[in-house]
Amino acid sequence: DTAVSQTPKYLVTQMGNDKSIKCEQNLGHDTMYWYKQDSKKFLKIMFSYNNKELIINETVPNRFSPKSPDKAHLNLHINSLELGDSAVYFCASSQGLAGGPNTGELFFGEGSRLTVL
Amino acid sequence: SQQGEEDPQALSIQEGENATMNCSYKTSINNLQWYRQNSGRGLVHLILIRSNEREKHSGRLRVTLDTSKKSSSLLITASRAADTASYFCATDPYGQNFVFGPGTRLSVLP
Repeated sequence: DTAVSQTPKYLVTQMGNDKSIKCEQNLGHDTMYWYKQDSKKFLKIMFSYNNKELIINETVPNRFSPKSPDKAHLNLHINSLELGDSAVYFCASSQGLAGGPNTGELFFGEGSRLTVL
Repeated sequence: SQQGEEDPQALSIQEGENATMNCSYKTSINNLQWYRQNSGRGLVHLILIRSNEREKHSGRLRVTLDTSKKSSSLLITASRAADTASYFCATDPYGQNFVFGPGTRLSVLP
C-alpha cells in the first residue's frame, strides 16, 4: 500500500484554467504539507496542516487554496493557472509538527508534475 | 540565500568510493534530516539527527552534526550505482517546518 498517494501524477493544462491535485495518506499522521519543487530541484514549503488546521501558509499567491476535509487528506486547488506555476508539487505527511522534540520524518508522495502551456 | 545549503552541488565518483556531502545552515535548529530523491520520484527519508546528537549511523550512511559550525555532513561509504540520486538536507529553523536546501546531485559511475 502506498503511504502517501497523490493524483494526478501528470497534469498538462492551459493558462487560466483551474486544476486540483489530491493527496491522501494512510499512515495515521496528523500533519500534512504541500511542497513545490522547481526546475532547479529547489523544494519550497507552501502549506502545512495539523489536524486539519492550517499552520503555515508561506508566501503563496491566493490562487492556491488547500483544503483538508480530514486528517488523511490534503488537496490543493489552483485557480487561474500561470506559466510560472509549472513545477512538481509534492504532498508529504509527518507525525507531529516540525521542530518538536518528537518530530518524525516526512513521508513524501511521488509528486504531481504540472505543466502550464 | 537558503537556510540550508548543500555542498557540492554535484559530485561524480566511481563505484566503491566514498561520497561526502555537506550541509550548512544559518539559524538554530532542533532537528536536521537527510533525504534522497531518485530521478522522477518523491523524497525518501534517510536519517534524522537531533541538535543534541553529534553522529548517527544507518547502514552505509554516516551523518555528523556540528551545531557550533551550523553544519552537517552525510557520508556514503562503498558507493553503488544505485546511490545515484539527489541528496537534500532539511532543517527546522525556529522550530517551524522543514526547510530544504537545493541538494547535491550524486552520480556513481560503474
